[in-house]
Amino acid sequence: DTGVSQDPRHKITKRGQNVTFRCDPISEHNRLYWYRQTLGQGPEFLTYFQNEAQLEKSRLLSDRFSAERPKGSFSTLEIQRTEQGDSAMYLCASSLGDDVNEKLFFGSGTQLSVL
Amino acid sequence: AQSVSQHNHHVILSEAASLELGCNYSYGGTVNLFWYVQYPGQHLQLLLKYFSGDPLVKGIKGFEAEFIKSKFSFNLRKPSVQWSDTAEYFCAVSSYSSASKIIFGSGTRLSIRP
Repeated sequence: DTGVSQDPRHKITKRGQNVTFRCDPISEHNRLYWYRQTLGQGPEFLTYFQNEAQLEKSRLLSDRFSAERPKGSFSTLEIQRTEQGDSAMYLCASSLGDDVNEKLFFGSGTQLSVL
Repeated sequence: AQSVSQHNHHVILSEAASLELGCNYSYGGTVNLFWYVQYPGQHLQLLLKYFSGDPLVKGIKGFEAEFIKSKFSFNLRKPSVQWSDTAEYFCAVSSYSSASKIIFGSGTRLSIRP
């Protein structure tokens, strides 16, 4: 495996529709993170998994957002009833280890445009 | 709450100039500090990190950063930049009490004139 894979690369949807993104981390990486990035800003933390357990979710994340990592491998991020403010690049990252000093390996992201 | 400030939004330098990008964080506990880089059209990747020991950390491609605890700073430096250093640079911080959350700054865009 050469890195973290995200699918799709681009998603255009109409306001009110549901969208789902997928992330395949590097094999055997136990930690998986979702970030959101808008133009001119750094990645904003959304949520984090250690294996299949979702350990933290940002307070900025509304109830329309849900993430899963059912078998501790790939993860999905779903946004229900999308709004124009959800337009952003959604980044997935993974790491190996139990320390917060482990480096993150990022995917190329999914660019979401809500019309 | 933790936060990271990068005050330089866009820096323009000529090749061979020296570089220093500022990064300040707001957290009083034990922190881990990172610099990530995003080259045009590529994904974010780690440049260097500090978690303990020597506060002067050396990373890839001739970059280094110095952790100054009293100033809550972790500035990135390179003595002589190259055109290929054109990228966006993000400072990030995590702590052992933040449940593994890594917080990023807003980034500094570096443009190098050939």
